[in-house]
Amino acid sequence: SQKIEQNSEALNIQEGKTATLTCNYTNYSPAYLQWYRQDPGRGPVFLLLIRENEKEKRKERLKVTFDTTLKQSLFHITASQPADSATYLCALEAGYSTLTFGKGTMLLVSP
Amino acid sequence: SAVISQKPSRDICQRGTSLTIQCQVDSQVTMMFWYRQQPGQSLTLIATANQGSEATYESGFVIDKFPISRPNLTFSTLTVSNMSPEDSSIYLCSVGGEGYNEQFFGPGTRLTVL
Repeated sequence: SQKIEQNSEALNIQEGKTATLTCNYTNYSPAYLQWYRQDPGRGPVFLLLIRENEKEKRKERLKVTFDTTLKQSLFHITASQPADSATYLCALEAGYSTLTFGKGTMLLVSP
Repeated sequence: SAVISQKPSRDICQRGTSLTIQCQVDSQVTMMFWYRQQPGQSLTLIATANQGSEATYESGFVIDKFPISRPNLTFSTLTVSNMSPEDSSIYLCSVGGEGYNEQFFGPGTRLTVL
């Protein structure tokens, strides 16, 4: 069956460092992959989309890679700030404009 | 982008009752989606609601339990019927962005069933 795995343990890093979050998937061949940010008590907010024919995408301090051979995406936040603390969700295209989400990884950036 | 509001933001309900959640979008959209997010779990798609047609439900979700209305291009409702404590969850609606790639989410409705 289709499966998306994100590290369930929170990632703790110090301000200024680069945070790297991982999304692995099995039994999928998604046309694209997305990353969302979710703060407590709020709905997810779209961050980045990367298509299957793209290796890397950047937006300001964010970078996403997509390796369809490894079935893995890495999400990087450079020069991290305490305001980056949130849960980050990976989502894969699942056909008919629908998405399948991972459970998310909580990022905690300490000053 | 789209601005989405949901009502109620939270509710506490008794077992066996039903709750209708409203989702309002500030622009006309063809597809609206309803998700459930149980504690510690991922967002799970319940159904896709297109205006003018029956909602399409995902495996494990049925219309009798989660009836959906989509009376126009800016509004949808999801009813959680005959609730049990297992239905305690956050329910979110979303709409597809341009090209139906990114999705924009409402703030969610936190439901607790006693």
